[in-house]
Amino acid sequence: GQQLNQSPQSMFIQEGEDVSMNCTSSSIFNTWLWYKQDPGEGPVLLIALYKAGELTSNGRLTAQFGITRKDSFLNISASIPSDVGIYFCAGQGQSFGNEKLTFGTGTRLTIIP
Amino acid sequence: EAGVTQFPSHSVIEKGQTVTLRCDPISGHDNLYWYRRVMGKEIKFLLHFVKESKQDESGMPNNRFLAERTGGTYSTLKVQPAELEDSGVYFCASSFLGTSNSPLHFGNGTRLTVT
Repeated sequence: GQQLNQSPQSMFIQEGEDVSMNCTSSSIFNTWLWYKQDPGEGPVLLIALYKAGELTSNGRLTAQFGITRKDSFLNISASIPSDVGIYFCAGQGQSFGNEKLTFGTGTRLTIIP
Repeated sequence: EAGVTQFPSHSVIEKGQTVTLRCDPISGHDNLYWYRRVMGKEIKFLLHFVKESKQDESGMPNNRFLAERTGGTYSTLKVQPAELEDSGVYFCASSFLGTSNSPLHFGNGTRLTVT
């Protein structure tokens, strides 16, 4: 089946630093999504990308849909304590469809005091 | 608006026992999905209901897993008999059917531990 390689697996940063994580795939996806999971909760959608080359921002978050449709990155600027959690990328084969999501393995973000 | 609710939040059972997980989607959401995350790995798709029909069950690990959605409202996922490798967090998600860009809303998951 399709697989997403997400890196890094974990990050230890200081408050105020910028963060960058990415996902790559051997298959093409028509939709890329970024989710965040807080402890004891389910994943929450942060950003959705629907077009190759698209660059989208949501506050301090910026994500891009790679031109090849096989990769995406997520940047977080000026990290704050509430950014701590696990970030997942997810790809969907269809645009605007109800098709299942393929998730990456997650990036665990920890902020060092 | 109530979110996706899952019950129980935690379950600890012994190998060979049966466990039933329940998911109540957001009202009006015809799409209902089950996903599972085994510790340290990716969140994996299990199956997809559209109303009461199974649209895609390609992710179900084996026939020890049975999902139902009678009446097209809430769904149950039964594991019988449970094995050690079934441990993980089971997520349910729901969305509107056929609406462009309808986001997937996840529940908080059920953490299943099989000992």
